Amino acid sequence: AQRVTQPEKLLSVFKGAPVELKCNYSYSGSPELFWYVQYSRQRLQLLLRHISRESIKGFTADLNKGETSFHLKKPFAQEEDSAMYYCALIGGGKLIFGQGTELSVKP
Amino acid sequence: GAGVSQSPSNKVTEKGKDVELRCDPISGHTALYWYRQRLGQGLEFLIYFQGNSAPDKSGLPSDRFSAERTGESVSTLTIQRTQQEDSAVYLCASSPKTLNYGYTFGSGTRLTVV
Repeated sequence: AQRVTQPEKLLSVFKGAPVELKCNYSYSGSPELFWYVQYSRQRLQLLLRHISRESIKGFTADLNKGETSFHLKKPFAQEEDSAMYYCALIGGGKLIFGQGTELSVKP
Repeated sequence: GAGVSQSPSNKVTEKGKDVELRCDPISGHTALYWYRQRLGQGLEFLIYFQGNSAPDKSGLPSDRFSAERTGESVSTLTIQRTQQEDSAVYLCASSPKTLNYGYTFGSGTRLTVV
């Protein structure tokens, strides 16, 4: 079965601390993975795609096929990073989302 | 249009009534998706349309839920005989035929069944 698991519902860190939001997936073949972000009172928006290997707002994510993971990382969290983060993969012609992790960055 | 537009943004309805939610995708996007987001939960896939192909209805939770799409434009999601557990934010998204760049989401319709 194709599935995305985000084990943490809530992650709380202090400003300036490193942050890692975990994402594990179940997929046969080569997955295409994404991270979406939803800031307070805003719509869901694409943060980054694994195939582009980009860094957006200081965030990066590396696909680890051995561990079937696509964790989102940032070395120094900022208060404006506080949001809901969703990991997703393409399966069956649509995006399959994880349950989401709420990131809270405290001053 | 410039983005995905959903209406209404908020809807309060009495249990047992029918509701219609509307989604206007980005012009030229052939694919359109509906998701449900219950409070404190993730995004639950409902249905998607891809061009003129038969829609994938595999996520619809019951036969009270249905959706239509006219060509590659507007879609309506209809919930008949609403129940309190239908209360959620209903999200619509659209994409080009390939998903390499993911979806563009609308701002959602918050449905409250009282």
